[in-house]
Amino acid sequence: GENVEQHPSTLSVQEGDSAVIKCTYSDSASNYFPWYKQELGKRPQLIIDIRSNVGEKKDQRIAVTLNKTAKHFSLHITETQPEDSAVYFCAASTNQAGTALIFGKGTTLSVSS
Amino acid sequence: ETGVTQTPRHLVMGMTNKKSLKCEQHLGHNAMYWYKQSAKKPLELMFVYSLEERVENNSVPSRFSPECPNSSHLFLHLHTLQPEDSALYLCASSRITGELFFGEGSRLTVL
Repeated sequence: GENVEQHPSTLSVQEGDSAVIKCTYSDSASNYFPWYKQELGKRPQLIIDIRSNVGEKKDQRIAVTLNKTAKHFSLHITETQPEDSAVYFCAASTNQAGTALIFGKGTTLSVSS
Repeated sequence: ETGVTQTPRHLVMGMTNKKSLKCEQHLGHNAMYWYKQSAKKPLELMFVYSLEERVENNSVPSRFSPECPNSSHLFLHLHTLQPEDSALYLCASSRITGELFFGEGSRLTVL
């Protein structure tokens, strides 16, 4: 089955800096790669996703890149703000009926002002 | 509000008790999931139901028993749990594929 590794487990940055979180996956059949943000005491929520037919996707300060050959994908947050502080999870799936997202172990991002 | 509701939000039970967690989704989705979130293994997949058919994670102990009576409801029946089962249990739903919508979770403490 799929296995997703995520690094780093914790990340501390100053407000305005960029943050990068990296994930690798094992199943070459995986073709859907979402990122979820979980604020303290709240549910995980999707912030951005990418499918295997594109290499990069941007949404304002957030971008995700995908390298299918190397089987890794990354989340980039630019101009970080204190409200970006949360746990971020990457995930992967084959996006077929009966399969589910397999998550990485999460990265705790702390943005200090 | 994402349309996925879990009850109870908090549950404390002894190891000999039998209890159930309930999840309900109002999004018209066809797939529902149970995930376990603990400090040691965040967001661990437990069970998947797709079109009311179960796809089971074989590593889940039999003291956890899921039930999906229809596409809108999902239960997790708990019996003779262990203290290490204490965790946040998150229900989620989706269309057959794609984005997961999570509930708020049920915080379980086993004494």
